[in-house]
Amino acid sequence: AQKITQTQPGMFVQEKEAVTLDCTYDTSDQSYGLFWYKQPSSGEMIFLIYQGSYDEQNATEGRYSLNFQKARKSANLVISASQLGDSAMYFCAMRENNNDMRFGAGTRLTVKP
Amino acid sequence: EPEVTQTPSHQVTQMGQEVILRCVPISNHLYFYWYRQILGQKVEFLVSFYNNEISEKSEIFDDQFSVERPDGSNFTLKIRSTKLEDSAMYFCASSEMGTNGEQFFGPGTRLTVL
Repeated sequence: AQKITQTQPGMFVQEKEAVTLDCTYDTSDQSYGLFWYKQPSSGEMIFLIYQGSYDEQNATEGRYSLNFQKARKSANLVISASQLGDSAMYFCAMRENNNDMRFGAGTRLTVKP
Repeated sequence: EPEVTQTPSHQVTQMGQEVILRCVPISNHLYFYWYRQILGQKVEFLVSFYNNEISEKSEIFDDQFSVERPDGSNFTLKIRSTKLEDSAMYFCASSEMGTNGEQFFGPGTRLTVL
């Protein structure tokens, strides 16, 4: 069974607008972490934001925020004021207590000028 | 800013050959990981390593794979007898903490098996 589901293979957004990338997860652990990574065309994996399962507030890092809805098991990434440099693959990932991190299939975001 | 480094950036090998991919994690990190990403596909977990032993491994990490921390700085992934399907980008990552630790990824090694 898929642990991490990203239902949007591709997304388009106009420059300067906000975009939400969806991520749902499946776990029976009480303690887990949720992560978003950006992978530009150059291939490297860049950490964006982290949300712990016990964190009551949604995580924010600059233009990135995580819309964490624990009961729905969703951890959507919101990028505000999109920039051309935001065009990349975005991966949602979850880490449970067993230490391994599972990634979703990714969403390719294209920012249009 | 400290970063994870990986060498080589690109490795080409013949099927059946052994390869060793090298990583230097961030110096104060205690947890180390290898992932792979077949071209155009998602990132897949291979193995995690803590306190000089494997703490978790995926079904991909079979007997042809091994990891080692030969000294205080390097963390290596060995593939004993490469297959065509091992062609992928291999990422090393490290974190200061376990479950809830942010993992910092290296730039990756692109392995091409001919």
